[in-house]
Amino acid sequence: AQSVAQPEDQVNVAEGNPLTVKCTYSVSGNPYLFWYVQYPNRGLQFLLKYITGDNLVKGSYGFEAEFNKSQTSFHLKKPSALVSDSALYFCAVETDSWGKFQFGAGTQVVVTP
Amino acid sequence: DAGITQSPRHKVTETGTPVTLRCHQTENHRYMYWYRQDPGHGLRLIHYSYGVKDTDKGEVSDGYSVSRSKTEDFLLTLESATSSQTSVYFCAISGGDYNSPLHFGNGTRLTVT
Repeated sequence: AQSVAQPEDQVNVAEGNPLTVKCTYSVSGNPYLFWYVQYPNRGLQFLLKYITGDNLVKGSYGFEAEFNKSQTSFHLKKPSALVSDSALYFCAVETDSWGKFQFGAGTQVVVTP
Repeated sequence: DAGITQSPRHKVTETGTPVTLRCHQTENHRYMYWYRQDPGHGLRLIHYSYGVKDTDKGEVSDGYSVSRSKTEDFLLTLESATSSQTSVYFCAISGGDYNSPLHFGNGTRLTVT
């Protein structure tokens, strides 16, 4: 069965510093991985996805994610965090059932001025 | 934002009463989903639909039913609400291509007293 894990409930970072949100996955075939962001009282918004090809995927709002097959990881990164990046971030994998997704528990990011 | 409207946005109901949540989309997308979001669990799939009158169960479908009589509307019904169904419910849509990301509504906060 496909699954994702986000090992950190919360990540704290100072504005201007690099931000990393961790995600590891377990899949039986090719991994199709996604990152979403959720702001308070809103639905999730798509940030980026990895399907195949380059291990470094670029997405919205200056975010990127690095796919590492040997470590089964798909960490979300941003070189310089902004206070406005404070939100809840979810990693997801598309399961072997087409159109169905498994979400991680989420990581709360807090960026302080 | 994708054209997804959830109604109501907030609802308080009593245990044992029926509740129906509505999701309306203007994107003409084939796939529609209902998720619930609970702290520590991320998002869990309740039911999904892959076309008019075509629906299937997700991982937490017990106590829920759905209907889709038109492309644009996907209804989630709690036949007899229980306190364990207190949650935030999100509707999502997808264009249907493999690896298409989900687009979410802004959620319905349901409290069962």
